[in-house]
Formats: sequence, structure tokens, C-alpha cells
Amino acid sequence: EDQVTQSPEALRLQEGESSSLNCSYTVSGLRGLFWYRQDPGKGPEFLFTLYSAGEEKEKERLKATLTKKESFLHITAPKPEDSATYLCAVRTTSGNTPLVFGKGTRLSVIA
Amino acid sequence: GAGVSQTPSNKVTEKGKYVELRCDPISGHTALYWYRQSLGQGPEFLIYFQGTGAADDSGLPNDRFFAVRPEGSVSTLKIQRTERGDSAVYLCASSFSGRTYNEQFFGPGTRLTVL
Repeated sequence: EDQVTQSPEALRLQEGESSSLNCSYTVSGLRGLFWYRQDPGKGPEFLFTLYSAGEEKEKERLKATLTKKESFLHITAPKPEDSATYLCAVRTTSGNTPLVFGKGTRLSVIA
Repeated sequence: GAGVSQTPSNKVTEKGKYVELRCDPISGHTALYWYRQSLGQGPEFLIYFQGTGAADDSGLPNDRFFAVRPEGSVSTLKIQRTERGDSAVYLCASSFSGRTYNEQFFGPGTRLTVL
């Protein structure tokens, strides 16, 4: 069975304190790993897609990396507005097939 | 352009009642997905449409749940004889099918509460 595990469940950072969120996966075949941001009461907002080990993508203070077993979302010098739940998801078959999500990491950045 | 919209944003119903949740995808997106998200959990897949047909409905929990997309655009998720365990946020997402792999864009969700 395909599984996505995110850690930690919750993370509290001081403003400017860099850290990383982890997403480990056990799947039959990876056809894309996705990171989303979700604010309270809202739907997930797309951040990145990674397809192959070694791939990296960046957006403002966020950088996503991928290995054969896990992905990291690095947050550099976070600000309070980065506070949200970050969701990791995988696609395991070709085409526009559904995603399998982890439970998310709830990030709080304190000023 | 407009994103994915969902109505209503909140729905409170009584146990045993029938409810319909609506999703209006991004224009031009042929793939449409329904997910359900419980508190503290990630979204869980329910059903996926490619055009008008359900390509995969393996996530529907039982036969009380049904979804349609008659014209390949708007979709309606229908829940019969609601139960308290159906309470959750129901999320809709859509994606473009012009390439092999496409990100899914989510709507704001419908929060369903069954009393």
C-alpha cells in the first residue's frame, strides 16, 4: 500500500530560524511528488512538483528537494506569514490520477 | 482567472438527510477530483472524473456517496442518508490534461456538519 509520512507533525520556529520539513514515502512507483500549503479554512495551495531524485525547486523562502525515499521542504529565514500546514502528496501512476496525501506538518512562525 | 469554486461553503444537516455539494472547476480543466479532509488529516481521495465519466471511484466509502459531471464541467457530489461520520471538509480540485503530469488546483472546500 502506498504511504506518505510527514514529520514533524507540528513545528514552532522563531522568525528567521531556518528548518526543514520531511516527507518520506513508500510507493510502488513515483510519478510525481507534490507540496501544498494549506491555511486554516482554505483549500490546499500548490507549491511544487518534483519528479526525479536530485531535483530541486525554489520559491521565495522555500526550497523542495527529492531523493528516492523522501523529500524535504527547506524554509530559510521564515516569517510569520509562512505559518500554515504544509502537505506532501504523491502520484503513483501515469496520467492525471489522484494524489495520496500525508497528514501534513503544522508550522508556526513566531515574531 | 477564476479558480475552483465550491458551494455551499458550509452545510449543516441532520442525520439521515440528503445533501448535494457543488464544484465549478477552472475553465478548460478536463480532470476533476473530489477529496475529503477530516480534522488533522490530509485530503483523502473519493472520486476522479476525466471529462464526463468517472475514471476512478474507488475512494467512495459506500453506496450512499455518488458524484456526477454531466457536461464535463460542473460536478455535484451527492450524499444520501447522511451519518455523523460524514462530517468533514469536502474538497474539489481540477487539473489540465494537456500534458502527462499536471498539478491539481483546489477549491476552498465545503464544510459539512451532520448533527
